[in-house]
Amino acid sequence: GQNIDQPTEMTATEGAIVQINCTYQTSGFNGLFWYQQHAGEAPTFLSYNVLDGLEEKGRFSSFLSRSKGYSYLLLKELQMKDSASYLCAARDNYGQNFVFGPGTRLSVLP
Amino acid sequence: DADVTQTPRNRITKTGKRIMLECSQTKGHDRMYWYRQDPGLGLRLIYYSFDVKDINKGEISDGYSVSRQAQAKFSLSLESAIPNQTALYFCATSDALAGAPTDTQYFGPGTRLTVL
Repeated sequence: GQNIDQPTEMTATEGAIVQINCTYQTSGFNGLFWYQQHAGEAPTFLSYNVLDGLEEKGRFSSFLSRSKGYSYLLLKELQMKDSASYLCAARDNYGQNFVFGPGTRLSVLP
Repeated sequence: DADVTQTPRNRITKTGKRIMLECSQTKGHDRMYWYRQDPGLGLRLIYYSFDVKDINKGEISDGYSVSRQAQAKFSLSLESAIPNQTALYFCATSDALAGAPTDTQYFGPGTRLTVL
């Protein structure tokens, strides 16, 4: 079967670091994606991993371990505008489709 | 102008009515998708199309149909709307070249549909 798990909600303080974890099971694997979605808006692409390791893009980094079916999104120097839902999505090989997790709603407090 | 547009943005309808949601894109992408989003369930795939002549069912296609009128247009229809189809609907596009791994999706602004 196909399944993506991530925490439902997280809270962190402005200026801090937060790590959002994601575990996945898909029929084949061809990439792990992270999207940011502000309330009532469309998801927007944040990062992509297909090989094991860390990908860094400014304040955001994403890590992948294919053997463990595990990824995390690391947000540094949190800002109030980072309050949003973060969606983990795995692309499978079989249908070339994306399977999305339920999203993690992050609240950044002053 | 937005690259992926959806109309209408909001719609309230009654049980049993036929509804069409439209999606247009100017990105020149071949692949188009329809998702619905419900609280706590994330995005679920309804239908997808990899080109004009290719239509495929997604995870939750029952009660929905689609039409790919052109590369740039992909419409979603609810033949007889029911209350549990109340959700936020997103259209998305992607541009996966054969063998290319970076197939990110670009989402439209969403259509909020309420079925009474």
